[in-house]
Amino acid sequence: AQRVTQPEKLLSVFKGAPVELKCNYSYSGSPELFWYVQYSRQRLQLLLRHISRESIKGFTADLNKGETSFHLKKPFAQEEDSAMYYCALSGLSNTGKLIFGQGTTLQVKP
Amino acid sequence: DAGVTQSPTHLIKTRGQQVTLRCSPKSGHDTVSWYQQALGQGPQFIFQYYEEEERQRGNFPDRFSGHQFPNYSSELNVNALLLGDSALYLCASSLYAVRRADTQYFGPGTRLTVL
Repeated sequence: AQRVTQPEKLLSVFKGAPVELKCNYSYSGSPELFWYVQYSRQRLQLLLRHISRESIKGFTADLNKGETSFHLKKPFAQEEDSAMYYCALSGLSNTGKLIFGQGTTLQVKP
Repeated sequence: DAGVTQSPTHLIKTRGQQVTLRCSPKSGHDTVSWYQQALGQGPQFIFQYYEEEERQRGNFPDRFSGHQFPNYSSELNVNALLLGDSALYLCASSLYAVRRADTQYFGPGTRLTVL
């Protein structure tokens, strides 16, 4: 079964603290993994994808196929990082169909 | 370019009624995907339209149907509404020739409430 699990509904940290948003997946094959973000009153938008191996707004994510995880990390959280974060996967044969996790609300306190 | 637009913003219906939601894709895009996002959940894929045909479908009953017009805009229709259909309905557009999930752009959504 194809599934994405985000175990934390809410993650609350202080400004400047490190952040790790967890994501585990289940997929028989080689999926593409993504992180989407939704800031308050804004639409869902792509943050980063594992293929590009880039850092966006200081966030990075590494695909660990052994642990089937794709955790999102940032060394120093900023207040503007407060948002809802969704991990998602797309199978190479299901282009365009995204399977989302339940989402984690990141709250960065001053 | 306004990006992906959806109408209406909010909608209230009663059980058993039918509803139509509309989506205009981002300029230059030819593919539209629809997602249902229940409260506290991540979006769930309903179906995808390209060249006026349904190309992929998620695990949704036949009460959910769609249409794509020659100008690439799309409609989502839900018949015999149930309380459980209350959700935010998201539209995403992309370019079929690229066919990569990360090239999808999302609209602001339509909030449907079924009473």
